[in-house]
This record gives sequence, C-alpha cells and structure tokens, in this order.
Amino acid sequence: KAGVTQTPRYLIKTRGQQVTLSCSPISGHRSVSWYQQTPGQGLQFLFEYFSETQRNKGNFPGRFSGRQFSNSRSEMNVSTLELGDSALYLCASGLAGPNTGELFFGEGSRLTVL
Amino acid sequence: SQQGEEDPQALSIQEGENATMNCSYKTSINNLQWYRQNSGRGLVHLILIRSNEREKHSGRLRVTLDTSKKSSSLLITASRAADTASYFCATVDAGGTSYGKLTFGQGTILTVHP
Repeated sequence: KAGVTQTPRYLIKTRGQQVTLSCSPISGHRSVSWYQQTPGQGLQFLFEYFSETQRNKGNFPGRFSGRQFSNSRSEMNVSTLELGDSALYLCASGLAGPNTGELFFGEGSRLTVL
Repeated sequence: SQQGEEDPQALSIQEGENATMNCSYKTSINNLQWYRQNSGRGLVHLILIRSNEREKHSGRLRVTLDTSKKSSSLLITASRAADTASYFCATVDAGGTSYGKLTFGQGTILTVHP
C-alpha cells in the first residue's frame, strides 16, 4: 500500500509569489491534515479536512488556504509569500471519524522563500 | 500553538541504555500519541494512549499517562543507534471535533551512541 505522497519535495520561491503543495493520502483515508514545521515554532497545525470539508483551522493568516477533493487528495496554497513561510510542510492522512487516531505522514515539502 | 513542554530537549545515551522522555500538556485530551522523526523527514507514529489508559507497551516502548498531572512519559528500553531521532508527543483534544488535528510538543532529540 502506497504511503502519503507529497509533491513537490523541494521548492524555492521569492517573496510575494504564491505556492501550491499537493498531498495524496493513503488509499481509503478520508482525513487529511497539514502541519508547518520550523526550527523556531516547531510543529504547528494548519488545517484538517474530512469529506471535502475543512473541520479545523490553526492560527495562521488568511494567506494560508487549502482544499480537499472528492478523491481525498488535498492541496494547500500560500499566497504572497514571506520569508517566514520558509518551512517543512507536512501532510498527514488518517482513517475516518473524529477523535484523531494514528496519523500517517508524508515526507514533506520543503519550501524556501528568498 | 504548542501544547506544552517536553523534557529533556536533548538526550544523549549509549547503546543498551534506557531513554526516558517526558511531555506535559495543557488541555483535556481524548488521546496522546508519540511520533518519531528522522532528520527533518516525515513523522512516524509510535504509540497511542487513550485518556482512560494509564500505561501501554509496544515492543521496546512503554508509555505512561497521568491525566491528573497532564503529563506523559515515553520509555525506550535497550536503545540502539538506529533509535537516534527526534521524538514528539502530540495530543488530541477531548470533545470529538478533531479529525486530524494534533497539538505537538517541542520534541526531544535523542542521540544513541554505538
């Protein structure tokens, strides 16, 4: 069974640009969540999706957005990039239902903003 | 935002020794999970303990949970060099509204010397 796939793995952008990151969950998983990891702030929750609906959103500005498609694949978008957006962005998938159980993480998309 | 603190922030031991990491959290939880991360890669789920459980074992791992103190500990017995990684605790809020939202601690960097 294939794991969680994130693309692209690495990308470099300049300030003011926008970026779209993609996540394909494990087959059969309907929950997808996104996290930002930086040396200073650690692992921070961005948002979670279940059945194409955003269920929770973390404390991030509106420049950060996401969506989930009917096949459970998810994308997140960051507009008007700032230097502080440089981070490892991790996607995770899980089985259906509330009360999060074990999550399966992808290898991440490492974004560098110059 | 981070749920709480993990200590120690870094732990260095010899192969064969036991490693103990502690985690504190702030809110009422449904469950607490431990994850491992190798060198900025994706996270790997290790073990999950529910709020009504006090102790759980999985192979060389032993997790305890004290909800009155809002704390947990992870014990890795007979450590190996391959256990070298960062270890994170993560909590799921009580209330049944989380589908993929984890609140992570700051993590403990474990180094096991051969």
